[in-house]
Amino acid sequence: AQKVTQAQTEISVVEKEDVTLDCVYETRDTTYYLFWYKQPPSGELVFLIRRNSFDEQNEISGRYSWNFQKSTSSFNFTITASQVVDSAVYFCARGTGRRALTFGSGTRLQVQP
Amino acid sequence: NAGVTQTPKFRILKIGQSMTLQCTQDMNHNYMYWYRQDPGMGLKLIYYSVGAGITDKGEVPNGYNVSRSTTEDFPLRLELAAPSQTSVYFCASTLNSNQPQHFGDGTRLSIL
Repeated sequence: AQKVTQAQTEISVVEKEDVTLDCVYETRDTTYYLFWYKQPPSGELVFLIRRNSFDEQNEISGRYSWNFQKSTSSFNFTITASQVVDSAVYFCARGTGRRALTFGSGTRLQVQP
Repeated sequence: NAGVTQTPKFRILKIGQSMTLQCTQDMNHNYMYWYRQDPGMGLKLIYYSVGAGITDKGEVPNGYNVSRSTTEDFPLRLELAAPSQTSVYFCASTLNSNQPQHFGDGTRLSIL
């Protein structure tokens, strides 16, 4: 199986610190899609971003930014000036073709006030 | 626009009982999925469907069955509940496999 690895199980930071969540994926496909989802303590899954394999441009959305590097099969997620409301479990996922997403095991982020 | 609706939100079953987890979406999405999320883990695919009348197994299908008689509904059936099936179950849908999946709020199931 082609895995998605989120090596950081849990990260704890103090509010206003920057934090980067790592994601490394395996794939044999030329075309694939990468996603980040957020799961707050309430349990729902919230879509954050989608990237296709042909677009290596980094993206910034407010305090969030994503760095996609095909050469290292990584799709890292940075939160700038973290806030308590950012506390959640963050999942990286990869999708190809008609099959469902393959999820990493998640990184639990705790932002302390 | 309700999105993806899962019922029930919580359920406790006894070993050997059966039940159906309901999932319906009102976005006319072709693709629908069932995942389970065990504590501290990511989501694992149980079954998926690419359209009415078409279903296929995912990574962890044993102990489950699905059907897709309409575009809107994708129920998940547990025939003989076992403690190993204690988990949170998420249903998701998407227009096509390249687009983000929309998730329901989950069903928390405990088998005792």
